[in-house]
Amino acid sequence: GNSVTQMEGPVTLSEEAFLTINCTYTATGYPSLFWYVQYPGEGLQLLLKATKADDKGSNKGFEATYRKETTSFHLEKGSVQVSDSAVYFCALRDSGGSNYKLTFGKGTLLTVNP
Amino acid sequence: KAGVTQTPRYLIKTRGQQVTLSCSPISGHRSVSWYQQTPGQGLQFLFEYFSETQRNKGNFPGRFSGRQFSNSRSEMNVSTLELGDSALYLCASSLAPAVEAFFGQGTRLTVV
Repeated sequence: GNSVTQMEGPVTLSEEAFLTINCTYTATGYPSLFWYVQYPGEGLQLLLKATKADDKGSNKGFEATYRKETTSFHLEKGSVQVSDSAVYFCALRDSGGSNYKLTFGKGTLLTVNP
Repeated sequence: KAGVTQTPRYLIKTRGQQVTLSCSPISGHRSVSWYQQTPGQGLQFLFEYFSETQRNKGNFPGRFSGRQFSNSRSEMNVSTLELGDSALYLCASSLAPAVEAFFGQGTRLTVV
């Protein structure tokens, strides 16, 4: 079956530091890949997406590249802000069959200190 | 454009009761999915609806059910509530099943 593995948190950084959150996946078909962010007490917000190999998703300074050869979709940001403190989820949606459910990683808590 | 709206935001129920949660998708979106989020199990898929038909169901007991109406609004129902059903229930909508999904703020259910 499909699965997503992302780095365990929590991750604590100082403002303006570089961020990487690792994500690798296993899928039976040809998945689309997503990063979602969840702020305290809120639902999930779609941060970025990539639908095929070598696609780069980007939004609000965050980037992730779909690497089929390493089955990875690592999230990066060059300079984090306090407002980036949240839980980040990597997810895949397999388009090869008929079940389009999202499969999520366990989430990574990011805390950015001023 | 309004986002996904879930009501109510918070619920407290007693063991054995039943509960109905509501989700209004983004206008024009015909696919609605439900997920349960708990600290122990993370985000788990409950079911997916498209054009009033349940297309897929996750590995949850029959106490969990849902439906979708002709205007794409969806409801999920949990009968005979158990303490372990305490969770954040998230609804997601998308134009079609295979494209990106947008989530509501969730309904926080507490079973006491």
